Amino acid sequence: QKEVEQNSGPLSVPEGAIASLNCTYSDRVSQSFFWYRQYSGKSPELIMSIYSNGDKEDGRFTAQLNKASQYVSLLIRDSQPSDSATYLCAVGDQGAQKLVFGQGTRLTINP
Amino acid sequence: DTEVTQTPKHLVMGMTNKKSLKCEQHMGHRAMYWYKQKAKKPPELMFVYSYEKLSINESVPSRFSPECPNSSLLNLHLHALQPEDSALYLCASSQEDGTRGNQPQHFGDGTRLSIL
Repeated sequence: QKEVEQNSGPLSVPEGAIASLNCTYSDRVSQSFFWYRQYSGKSPELIMSIYSNGDKEDGRFTAQLNKASQYVSLLIRDSQPSDSATYLCAVGDQGAQKLVFGQGTRLTINP
Repeated sequence: DTEVTQTPKHLVMGMTNKKSLKCEQHMGHRAMYWYKQKAKKPPELMFVYSYEKLSINESVPSRFSPECPNSSLLNLHLHALQPEDSALYLCASSQEDGTRGNQPQHFGDGTRLSIL
């Protein structure tokens, strides 16, 4: 059973600080990693994709991947109250055409 | 604005009703997905269509019947649902690219379904 683990939170971060969200996965051969943001009552929104070891930056968001440690993270710089949401880590299942989702981390940015 | 459009946004139905959920995408994606999501849980995969053919059925009860009329459209036919089927139903689509592993999935806004 392929698994993706996330701390469910809630994670509280003061406005303007860096929010750090972490995810580990069990399938060593995984090649595709995604972060989705989901506001309450809304659908998941893709915010980052990462396929190679290292960092990938997009605006205030940085995804970090370490395949040797089977670890992927998302950093949000200069956190804003609008960043308050549940963040879902998803890992591509190489053997099937689907994503394996973590349980999600609920993030709250405090003004 | 989402590029995956789902209708209706809300649906209330009785346990004996028959209804359909619709999904449309115009991104040229060849893979489409149905998910079910309960509150405070991640999306749960139901079906995958690849090039208009059903490729994955995650042991979904037969009261849910998917259909893919063409590469842009995906339907989910509902019949004799149970109260526990009340949830947010999400459609997603993605490109097909076997060279890079799985491609990101783009979700529609969902249909919130309530079974009375």
